[in-house]
Amino acid sequence: ETGVTQSPTHLIKTRGQQVTLRCSSQSGHNTVSWYQQALGQGPQFIFQYYREEENGRGNFPPRFSGLQFPNYSSELNVNALELDDSALYLCASSLKLDSDSSYEQYFGPGTRLTVT
Amino acid sequence: GESVGLHLPTLSVQEGDNSIINCAYSNSASDYFIWYKQESGKGPQFIIDIRSNMDKRQGQRVTVLLNKTVKHLSLQIAATQPGDSAVYFCAETSPYGQNFVFGPGTRLSVLP
Repeated sequence: ETGVTQSPTHLIKTRGQQVTLRCSSQSGHNTVSWYQQALGQGPQFIFQYYREEENGRGNFPPRFSGLQFPNYSSELNVNALELDDSALYLCASSLKLDSDSSYEQYFGPGTRLTVT
Repeated sequence: GESVGLHLPTLSVQEGDNSIINCAYSNSASDYFIWYKQESGKGPQFIIDIRSNMDKRQGQRVTVLLNKTVKHLSLQIAATQPGDSAVYFCAETSPYGQNFVFGPGTRLSVLP
């Protein structure tokens, strides 16, 4: 167990709806990264949050947005859901220091999103 | 764009044998690499990491080798056990580690 938790475990939404996924980082970690993992593929980087600000973004449209809270937990919001958004959404927490890179990322169990 | 790839999508080994999972990366600026294990229905589990200033690192029953000359990474698992059956991903990142790039994964099946 990594100490990273995600909720909900599973979610079914209809195309066009909005969804919010939540992640609690491991104790002592200050950075959260979100990934999308389609069935049978490797995780794809969505974005990273550090000090409550977006700190890097992958090739995802603006309808994917996020937040990080003072306790370092994070939310991923997806608007105008499309069928292709169906995937496992993973968050990973890590410790980033000002003078160094964080690197070691520990993943949560993921939220399985199905869009119909 | 830059990507991480794997030579073998599936690997079957006999229980007790050693396993070697390979990975090719294309970004010469990448300075940190991680191997993850992902079991069905779970998130990726950190196995071992290596920085670009090293060429070998050992853990418990696992060894990661890095060959920067040919941009190749491998994961060796000694005395493979049934519990090692999973999909293994290599991931790379460049300095200041914002964006980890994952390969497509290799499925390891351990035969009794």
